Amino acid sequence: GENVEQHPSTLSVQEGDSAVIKCTYSDSASNYFPWYKQELGKRPQLIIDIRSNVGEKKDQRIAVTLNKTAKHFSLHITETQPEDSAVYFCAASRGGSYIPTFGRGTSLIVHP
Amino acid sequence: EAQVTQNPRYLITVTGKKLTVTCSQNMNHEYMSWYRQDPGLGLRQIYYSMNVEVTDKGDVPEGYKVSRKEKRNFPLILESPSPNQTSLYFCASREGETDGYTFGSGTRLTVV
Repeated sequence: GENVEQHPSTLSVQEGDSAVIKCTYSDSASNYFPWYKQELGKRPQLIIDIRSNVGEKKDQRIAVTLNKTAKHFSLHITETQPEDSAVYFCAASRGGSYIPTFGRGTSLIVHP
Repeated sequence: EAQVTQNPRYLITVTGKKLTVTCSQNMNHEYMSWYRQDPGLGLRQIYYSMNVEVTDKGDVPEGYKVSRKEKRNFPLILESPSPNQTSLYFCASREGETDGYTFGSGTRLTVV
């Protein structure tokens, strides 16, 4: 089955810095890669996703890149703000009866 | 408002007392899942459903049951809860095979 590794487990940055979270996956047939943000005490929420026919996708201060050859994808947050502090989860899936596999999460702390 | 509703939000119960956590979505999604979230372990899938009367085990199904008699509802049943099932539970739904999840608000279960 699919295996998703997520790094780092904790990331601490100063407000205004950039943050990068990386995930690797094992199943070359995976074709959908969402990222979720979970604020303390709240539900995970989808913030951005990318499909395997695209190499990069951007939405304001967040972007996701995908390298299918190396089987890794990354979340980039620029100009971080304290409200970006949360746990971020990546996931990989291939559709059909295959269920999405989540990474273990990255706790991002943005210091004012 | 498009949403996944799960109840209750908090539940404390005793070992062996059967309980049901309800989940309902109003988006006509075919795919629904149950996850448990434990510190350091991320989101682990318990059961999922691809349509009415179609369910399958996830990564950690032991001690749980589900049913999908209607498209909108996907209850999670613990026939004989044990303390190792103390966790934060999320119900989630998605429209298609490669779409992101919409999560419910979560149910924090404590089994004493």
